[in-house]
Amino acid sequence: SAVISQKPSRDICQRGTSLTIQCQVDSQVTMMFWYRQQPGQSLTLIATANQGSEATYESGFVIDKFPISRPNLTFSTLTVSNMSPEDSSIYLCSVEVWTANNEQFFGPGTRLTVL
Amino acid sequence: RKEVEQDPGPFNVPEGATVAFNCTYSNSASQSFFWYRQDCRKEPKLLMSVYSSGNEDGRFTAQLNRASQYISLLIRDSKLSDSATYLCVVIQNTGGFKTIFGAGTRLFVKA
Repeated sequence: SAVISQKPSRDICQRGTSLTIQCQVDSQVTMMFWYRQQPGQSLTLIATANQGSEATYESGFVIDKFPISRPNLTFSTLTVSNMSPEDSSIYLCSVEVWTANNEQFFGPGTRLTVL
Repeated sequence: RKEVEQDPGPFNVPEGATVAFNCTYSNSASQSFFWYRQDCRKEPKLLMSVYSSGNEDGRFTAQLNRASQYISLLIRDSKLSDSATYLCVVIQNTGGFKTIFGAGTRLFVKA
């Protein structure tokens, strides 16, 4: 299994500012994922954070808006840049553990509100 | 068409009821299937994997029909603590692995 922590757990931000979310895992993992979950919606993958190389972004998400760092195998950050109210969402960090179930473990999420 | 579609819900059932959730997927390259549970204001957690032969874990039974591209989750003898959102999750292998989450079906179990 994997235990994941995220900081901050929630924040209220002003339009035009940026917020960096941290994700820490208790073990070394190859791939870390960043998801967004808007109210009443399911999870949407933003990007895969690769250690030692640039993140891989999904369609509709760009590096300038969501820069990601992955300095080592246990840590990643996601920045939500130049925020607008449409960025209000829960942001979740996730890792995949290659067991018989290929289970994904999620952090507790960061609840972001942009005014 | 969404890649993974679930019953919209919500399902409101009394304690002790049996409830079934359905999920369909559109990409035949899908190879792994799961049900996750997400409690209100919490992160998703794996409930169970879904195998072609079907699998059971206590009151929960999952079924997979590859020909129809259909997955189900059956909950017997519902408990109040089963109230949550149930997410159908599919992993596709299209040159790389991609995990797709369904929108979820919300379940309310009432006393």
